[in-house]
This record gives sequence, structure tokens and C-alpha cells, in this order.
Amino acid sequence: AQSVTQLDSQVPVFEEAPVELRCNYSSSVSVYLFWYVQYPNQGLQLLLKYLSGSTLVKGINGFEAEFNKSQTSFHLRKPSVHISDTAEYFCAVSGNNDMRFGAGTRLTVKP
Amino acid sequence: EAGVAQSPRYKIIEKRQSVAFWCNPISGHATLYWYQQILGQGPKLLIQFQNNGVVDDSQLPKDRFSAERLKGVDSTLKIQPAKLEDSAVYLCASSINTLGTYEQYFGPGTRLTVT
Repeated sequence: AQSVTQLDSQVPVFEEAPVELRCNYSSSVSVYLFWYVQYPNQGLQLLLKYLSGSTLVKGINGFEAEFNKSQTSFHLRKPSVHISDTAEYFCAVSGNNDMRFGAGTRLTVKP
Repeated sequence: EAGVAQSPRYKIIEKRQSVAFWCNPISGHATLYWYQQILGQGPKLLIQFQNNGVVDDSQLPKDRFSAERLKGVDSTLKIQPAKLEDSAVYLCASSINTLGTYEQYFGPGTRLTVT
């Protein structure tokens, strides 16, 4: 079975600063990795996903993530955040036909 | 295309009452998921359907929770009787198929408060 650990429950950052949200996973099989964003009172929206190929994945809203198999990590990064990026971010791992989510990281962007 | 629809958006009930949530997935999506998201936690899978069959219900508290997808399209999740700890957001998601490579599309959720 797969599991996900998001290392930071809250990340405060100032507008236009870079940010990294950390995610580690464990799995006994090949995995697919995802980052979702959840705005208040809304469902989850896919930011990006890693299925295979290039370990650097680019997503929507200027986010990117790097798959590191040796460190079993899939950290999410953005070089310059905006106020509108304030939200909850979830890392998820999928095996053959199921998906497990981390507990989430609340990103708060301050002016 | 229309997204995943859920109703109601909010529900407040007393403990020991029953409640039902409805989900209509994206047209053509074979796989439907129900998740429970307790405040401050990530979504936890309750049940996964492939068409009208159950793929995974290992985390569904079957003594009080039930779900069905009779015609392989929309689905209903029921809680009977509700407990205080059932207070959560119930998310429905759908994907084209059950393989892990496919993106899941989420509805807005139903926020349940049990008093």
C-alpha cells in the first residue's frame, strides 16, 4: 500500500517570494504522483502529475515539482507566489487503482 | 464540459439521524469515488466504484455507511445513524477509468455537521 507524508502543515510566505512544499511517499510498487490544490469551500483541483519520463513536471499557475526516486520525494515549488496562491495543497500517490492523500499543507501568502 | 455535481452543499443534522448525499459524475467517467475529509486532514477514500460495481470499500464503516451506483452513473452515499465524528466534508470524484494514471475530478463537496 502507498502512503504520503507532507512535512509541513503550514507554510507562511510573503508575496513574490519562492516557496517549496515538501512531500515524501512510500510504496512497494511503481507509483504515480499528484499535487492538488483546494481553495476554500471548493473541491480539489489538479496542479500537476508525474506518471513517467522527465522527473521535472510543470503544472498550472506556475507550479512545478520534481520526482526524486532515491529520496522518495515529490516536492512542489513556485519561484514567485501571489496572494491568490493561498490555499490548501495536497500531495497524493497512486498505485494501480487507488489514491492516497497526504494531510495537506496550508500555504498562506502575505502581502 | 460539466464538472462533478454534488448536493446538498451543506447539511446539519442531529446525531442518530440519517442523511444522504448525491453525486453526478462527469459524463462518460466509469470510475466514481467517495471521500471523507475531516477538518485539517487529507481526503480519505470511503468507496470506489467502477461502473456499478464496487472496487474498494475497505475503509467504509459498513455498520452505518452505505453507497450505491445502481445504473453506473450517479451515486448516493448514506449515513444511518450519524455520529458526531461523521462531521466532515464528503467529496465525490470521478475519473475516466480506474487506473492510477487517470486524473480524478472532484466535486465541491457536501459539508456535514452532526450536532
